[in-house]
Amino acid sequence: GEDVEQSLFLSVREGDSSVINCTYTDSSSTYLYWYKQEPGAGLQLLTYIFSNMDMKQDQRLTVLLNKKDKHLSLRIADTQTGDSAIYFCAERGGSQGNLIFGKGTKLSVKP
Amino acid sequence: GAVVSQHPSRVICKSGTSVKIECRSLDFQATTMFWYRQFPKQSLMLMATSNEGSKATYEQGVEKDKFLINHASLTLSTLTVTSAHPEDSSFYICSARKGLYNEQFFGPGTRLTVL
Repeated sequence: GEDVEQSLFLSVREGDSSVINCTYTDSSSTYLYWYKQEPGAGLQLLTYIFSNMDMKQDQRLTVLLNKKDKHLSLRIADTQTGDSAIYFCAERGGSQGNLIFGKGTKLSVKP
Repeated sequence: GAVVSQHPSRVICKSGTSVKIECRSLDFQATTMFWYRQFPKQSLMLMATSNEGSKATYEQGVEKDKFLINHASLTLSTLTVTSAHPEDSSFYICSARKGLYNEQFFGPGTRLTVL
């Protein structure tokens, strides 16, 4: 079945780069997504990548996709304390076109 | 951008009562809305898919008679938790699908606490 895996925690110092990794199982996924969830809030779409792309950059965010290994990563450059949140990787799946989420990676940024 | 609202943001109710949660797409039409449930420190689990003008499609293990979904218009879907029990306490999040690229925009969520 479809499954998305992420490491649960990541801690970095302010100003460093953060890299959050994700693996997925559905090779037919056409789109892969990164969402950010701040405490007590809903999900905010950060970025997405189409499966025929290897990389997508958007300001401080860089998404890398290795389709062969079904590996997706999100790099946040110059990480700030405001980036502290839970980051969810998701793939488009399911018969309804819904998203399948990983468990989320809690990013903690230390000053 | 695309904005999705949910109301209420928090609700506390007594066991046995029903609670209605609204999900609205404020600046776009959403033919499909999704309802997710999130348990503490866990990921979002899809409960049901709601298409405007038709019956919702529920995921396996989700009781359709307990979680009533109505998608009355292209901008509004409602989830009613009937005869709520403490185990229904959770964070409920809706999303609305916009466009051809399956972009889903999420509401801020509703925290339901059943006493």
